[in-house]
Amino acid sequence: DAKTTQPTSMDCAEGRAANLPCNHSTISGNEYVYWYRQIHSQGPQYIIHGLKNNETNEMASLIITEDRKSSTLILPHATLRDTAVYYCIVVPLGSGTYKYIFGTGTRLKVLA
Amino acid sequence: DAGVIQSPRHEVTEMGQEVTLRCKPISGHNSLFWYRQTMMRGLELLIYFNNNVPIDDSGMPEDRFSAKMPNASFSTLKIQPSEPRDSAVYFCASSRDSPTYGYTFGSGTRLTVV
Repeated sequence: DAKTTQPTSMDCAEGRAANLPCNHSTISGNEYVYWYRQIHSQGPQYIIHGLKNNETNEMASLIITEDRKSSTLILPHATLRDTAVYYCIVVPLGSGTYKYIFGTGTRLKVLA
Repeated sequence: DAGVIQSPRHEVTEMGQEVTLRCKPISGHNSLFWYRQTMMRGLELLIYFNNNVPIDDSGMPEDRFSAKMPNASFSTLKIQPSEPRDSAVYFCASSRDSPTYGYTFGSGTRLTVV
């Protein structure tokens, strides 16, 4: 499975866009990029995923570079409730069950 | 949809005692995962099931840990005997068999072994 590299921590001002990078330079053509976040003491929460096209949902946008070696999760207007640890994971396509291996993630702190 | 339900939320037990953690996955999800989270090791996958069958238990730390899924709506993770180093938050998650859907995690069980 491809590994990911994320910055350990980031700060963002409330109301501004939070851009969280992830490097997955060894990603294979059949692997998706998933993003989860974990707010203190809670279970991880699914945010978004993509294969090669940019994706947007009500929570965030995912920008994947053309070579697929990196991606950026964008929270367009960060709020204090977005303070959490954000995990970037790559998961192989195929039939059957998908096993997630979590790294250490990025600890995002949104500042008032 | 009540989500993934774990019980108990908190468990404090003495070293050497048996501990059983419980999980009810979301109806219609056919994969179930058990994770453990500590400050030192982060989120670790212990075992996962597909259609009630254990697929990969390579993350189970030792023979003191066992997991079962007797039916599609219930799974247990048992530690016998428990040790202080087992203290952690244990999460259960479920999913459908498709990359289109992510995992849904439960709220976790915080286990303290004294």
